[in-house]
Amino acid sequence: GENVEQHPSTLSVQEGDSAVIKCTYSDSASNYFPWYKQELGKRPQLIIDIRSNVGEKKDQRIAVTLNKTAKHFSLHITETQPEDSAVYFCAASGSFKAAGNKLTFGGGTRVLVKP
Amino acid sequence: ETGVTQSPTHLIKTRGQQVTLRCSSQSGHNTVSWYQQALGQGPQFIFQYYREEENGRGNFPPRFSGLQFPNYSSELNVNALELDDSALYLCASSLGLGGGYEQYFGPGTRLTVT
Repeated sequence: GENVEQHPSTLSVQEGDSAVIKCTYSDSASNYFPWYKQELGKRPQLIIDIRSNVGEKKDQRIAVTLNKTAKHFSLHITETQPEDSAVYFCAASGSFKAAGNKLTFGGGTRVLVKP
Repeated sequence: ETGVTQSPTHLIKTRGQQVTLRCSSQSGHNTVSWYQQALGQGPQFIFQYYREEENGRGNFPPRFSGLQFPNYSSELNVNALELDDSALYLCASSLGLGGGYEQYFGPGTRLTVT
């Protein structure tokens, strides 16, 4: 089955700096890669996703890149703000109907943005 | 707000008991997935239901079972509770299978087994 590794497990950055979180996956059939933000005691919220036919996607201060050959994808947050402090999860799933769209999550990265 | 709701919010059970958790999917969504999130870890896939049929199961024992109803709401049942079952249980709904449909999570049910 799919295995997703996520690094680093914790990340502390100064407000205004950039943060980068990296994930690798094992199943070459996976082709949907969402990122979720989870604040303490809250549900995971989708912040950005990318599909395998795209190499990069950007939404304001957040961007995701995908390298299918190397089987890794990354989340980039620029101009970090204190409200970016949370746990971030990467995930992977296949797109074939028979396989469903179950998500395999990484272990999470706790991001702390220091004012 | 995503529209996925779960009940109850919190639950305390004793080892060996049985529990039922409930999930109402977002309007128009016919697929519900259940995940277990232990403290400090990423969610782990339990199983998924599509149009009332189980469609895929993760590495969980048979004492974890589920149902999906005609209105696409869903239940997760856990028998013979063990201490390690203590976790946040999340359900997520989506428009369908495959194609990279976004999954929208509910707020979760925090289960504590003593």
